[in-house]
Amino acid sequence: EIVLTQSPDTLSLSPGERATLSCRASQRTGSSYLAWYQQKPGQAPRLLIYAASSRATGIPDRFSGSGSGTDFTLTISRLEPEDFAVYYCQQYGVHTFGQGTKLEIK
Amino acid sequence: EEQLVQSGAEVKKPGESLKISCKGSGYSFSDYWIGWVRQMPGKGLEWMGLIFPGDSDTRYSPSFQGQVTMSADKSISTAYLQWNNLKASDTAMYYCVRSSPYDVWGQGTLVTVSS
Repeated sequence: EIVLTQSPDTLSLSPGERATLSCRASQRTGSSYLAWYQQKPGQAPRLLIYAASSRATGIPDRFSGSGSGTDFTLTISRLEPEDFAVYYCQQYGVHTFGQGTKLEIK
Repeated sequence: EEQLVQSGAEVKKPGESLKISCKGSGYSFSDYWIGWVRQMPGKGLEWMGLIFPGDSDTRYSPSFQGQVTMSADKSISTAYLQWNNLKASDTAMYYCVRSSPYDVWGQGTLVTVSS
C-alpha cells in the first residue's frame, strides 16, 4: 500500500510570497498518476495538477507541479488571497490521498 | 458543461438504510469510472471505491469493502452509494467524482447519522 505524506501540515505565508508544498510517497510511484487538489472551506475539492506537472483546465499558471519517483512538489509562484486553502496530493493509480497541507495567511 | 450533481443532505438514525445518488451530465457517463470519496468532519479525503457505469464493474477500497454498496444505472447516467446499517461513524460529506484523475466533482452529500 502506497502512503503519501505531505509536508508541512500547515504553511503560513503572506500574499505575494512563494509557496512550496511537498508530497512524499512511501514507494516509487508512477509520475503519470500524481495529482494535486485544492479545497476551500465549504467547497468540493478542485483538480489543479495531474500527471505530476500538467495543469488542469482553467488553472492559473502560477500553479506548477514537479517531481518524480517518490518526491513531488506543488509550487504557487505568487500567492493570491484566493489561494489560501487546503491542498491534497493523490496517487490516482491506487487512489491514495495525502493527509493535506493547510495554506494559511500569515 | 461536464458536471456531477448529487442528492441532498440526509439525516438518519443508526441502523437505518440510505442510498444517495450522483447524476452525470455533459459527457458520456458510461465511459468514465465514477469514484466515491468520504470526508469526515474536519478531516481529509478518503477513497471509498469506483464503479464503471458501462458494465457496473466495481472496485472497493479495503477500508470500505462490505460497509457500502456502489451501483449505477447508465440509462439515467446515475451512480449510487448505499448503506444497509448506518453507524454514527458514517457521518461525513460524501463526494462522487469522475475518475481518473478526479477532474469532475459532485457538490457533495452531507450524511448525518444520529440518534
